[in-house]
Amino acid sequence: ETGVTQSPTHLIKTRGQQVTLRCSSQSGHNTVSWYQQALGQGPQFIFQYYREEENGRGNFPPRFSGLQFPNYSSELNVNALELDDSALYLCASSSGVPSSGANVLTFGAGSRLTVL
Amino acid sequence: DQQVKQNSPSLSVQEGRISILNCDYTNSMFDYFLWYKKYPAEGPTFLISISSIKDKNEDGRFTVFLNKSAKHLSLHIVPSQPGDSAVYFCAASHQRLTFGEGTQLTVNP
Repeated sequence: ETGVTQSPTHLIKTRGQQVTLRCSSQSGHNTVSWYQQALGQGPQFIFQYYREEENGRGNFPPRFSGLQFPNYSSELNVNALELDDSALYLCASSSGVPSSGANVLTFGAGSRLTVL
Repeated sequence: DQQVKQNSPSLSVQEGRISILNCDYTNSMFDYFLWYKKYPAEGPTFLISISSIKDKNEDGRFTVFLNKSAKHLSLHIVPSQPGDSAVYFCAASHQRLTFGEGTQLTVNP
């Protein structure tokens, strides 16, 4: 069984540009969550996708958007990049009822974004 | 508003001794609490969890204690091993996972 894979692993962008990060969920998982982890901080919830629809969002502006595809893979798009967007972006997948606290998230290794 | 806090950025212990990692929370709606471990260049991996209706859960060398009245939980690792050296994140769940800042555990041989 393959785990969660993310691409690219590292990328550098300049302020104002747009970026797309990709995530393949673990086999059998139908829910994808995205987290932003700034240096020295814990992961911060961006949003979650279930059945191709956004199912909960954290305190992030609308320039952070996402998609989930029929095969449960997902994309995170960030427009008008700012310097503070520099962070590790983590994708996590899970199965079962999305809102259940008992669901264990399986994380990918992340995409390291640097905005100059 | 930091709903989950880990006040110790780092902890160093000797191999074979007990490691105790602490976590405090503020939201009474949290119904599950989890610990994740993260090695460099890897994503966080699930370690152990506890439901809010319990006060202890044990899995091998790892035990999580929950004190709801104090809104406090702790992770005990006994005995600690050098391979346990990693960043440990406390997380709490109410419709979504909220993470603490993490504690870097170093287990010295």
